[in-house]
Amino acid sequence: DGGITQSPKYLFRKEGQNVTLSCEQNLNHDAMYWYRQDPGQGLRLIYYSQIVNDFQKGDIAEGYSVSREKKESFPLTVTSAQKNPTAFYLCASGLAQETQYFGPGTRLLVL
Amino acid sequence: GQQLNQSPQSMFIQEGEDVSMNCTSSSIFNTWLWYKQDPGEGPVLLIALYKAGELTSNGRLTAQFGITRKDSFLNISASIPSDVGIYFCAGQLRGNQGAQKLVFGQGTRLTINP
Repeated sequence: DGGITQSPKYLFRKEGQNVTLSCEQNLNHDAMYWYRQDPGQGLRLIYYSQIVNDFQKGDIAEGYSVSREKKESFPLTVTSAQKNPTAFYLCASGLAQETQYFGPGTRLLVL
Repeated sequence: GQQLNQSPQSMFIQEGEDVSMNCTSSSIFNTWLWYKQDPGEGPVLLIALYKAGELTSNGRLTAQFGITRKDSFLNISASIPSDVGIYFCAGQLRGNQGAQKLVFGQGTRLTINP
């Protein structure tokens, strides 16, 4: 089946730990995006990537890092520098200059 | 940064009623999008609007791209229980190298009483 997959569905992070969220798409989309959603709020852009081996910071990039080694994959690392990581993380993809489609999300909780 | 003002924040209606929600901004957008999000899931695209003044329907949903390119509305006719969820508007900007950046409204939470 074609689509965007995110894993895991739930992720727990200990203090001082880095964790990595997976996002994979088999839609042959050029662009991929990471958003953060907090309760009762809209989505805020963390990072985005237009092509392989290139990415740009979004509005709230501090404490996060990404890589784009393959067109299909855009993993997000939540580093220990992110002091308030508890949120719902959404990955999206789309063709250049086209609409974005979202994955099912990963909920990150801090122990 | 840019912000979208989405209203109302929440709606409580009876099944069968029509629904209307809107988004306004001080910025001009190239595209307006409307998404629906169910609890614990990712947003699903409902309607995409690409031209100022455009009016587009998708079943019982109708959305319009404002003439000024700074606003959009979404109407749902004859609501049914599965319409329950959070509806988001999003304005799309064109960034570097053609990358699309979305700015989201705060969402409208729709609750339907059977």
